[in-house]
Amino acid sequence: GDSVTQMEGPVTLSEEAFLTINCTYTATGYPSLFWYVQYPGEGLQLLLKATKADDKGSNKGFEATYRKETTSFHLEKGSVQVSDSAVYFCALIRAGAGSYQLTFGKGTKLSVIP
Amino acid sequence: DGGITQSPKYLFRKEGQNVTLSCEQNLNHDAMYWYRQDPGQGLRLIYYSQIVNDFQKGDIAEGYSVSREKKESFPLTVTSAQKNPTAFYLCASSIAELQFFGPGTRLTVL
Repeated sequence: GDSVTQMEGPVTLSEEAFLTINCTYTATGYPSLFWYVQYPGEGLQLLLKATKADDKGSNKGFEATYRKETTSFHLEKGSVQVSDSAVYFCALIRAGAGSYQLTFGKGTKLSVIP
Repeated sequence: DGGITQSPKYLFRKEGQNVTLSCEQNLNHDAMYWYRQDPGQGLRLIYYSQIVNDFQKGDIAEGYSVSREKKESFPLTVTSAQKNPTAFYLCASSIAELQFFGPGTRLTVL
């Protein structure tokens, strides 16, 4: 079945540091890929998405590129802020699944310190 | 404001009692979902519904039940058969492949 693997957390960075959170996936066909963010005590918010190979999703300074050859969708940000502290989830929807069920990774907790 | 509401934010119940979690959306979305979140395990799908009066089991449906009598409402009942009900429960609705999440309900069974 489909699966998503994220780097283990927690990740602690100083403000203005470079962020990478690795995400790889296993799926048949050509899934759409997503990054969601969850701030403490809240639900999930869509951060960015990519629907086909070589697409780059971007939002709020975060970027991720759909790499079919390496089945990866790593999240990057050039300069993190304290307000980026949250849990980040990588997810996929398999094309043609019909019901658009998301398969999530386990999440990576990011803490940014001043 | 358009969105998804879940109530209450915190819920406490005694072991052996059934409890129903509310989820309402005013986004006019056809599809709705219930997820369970446990620390370090990501989100797991409990039930989903693509249209009114129809719903399907997800990966961890045992011990849960749902109904979908109205488009905007998708309540989840955690029954006494659920062995480990203490968790954070998230409801979502979707248009095509974009899912929108509610703020969640944290259920604690004492």
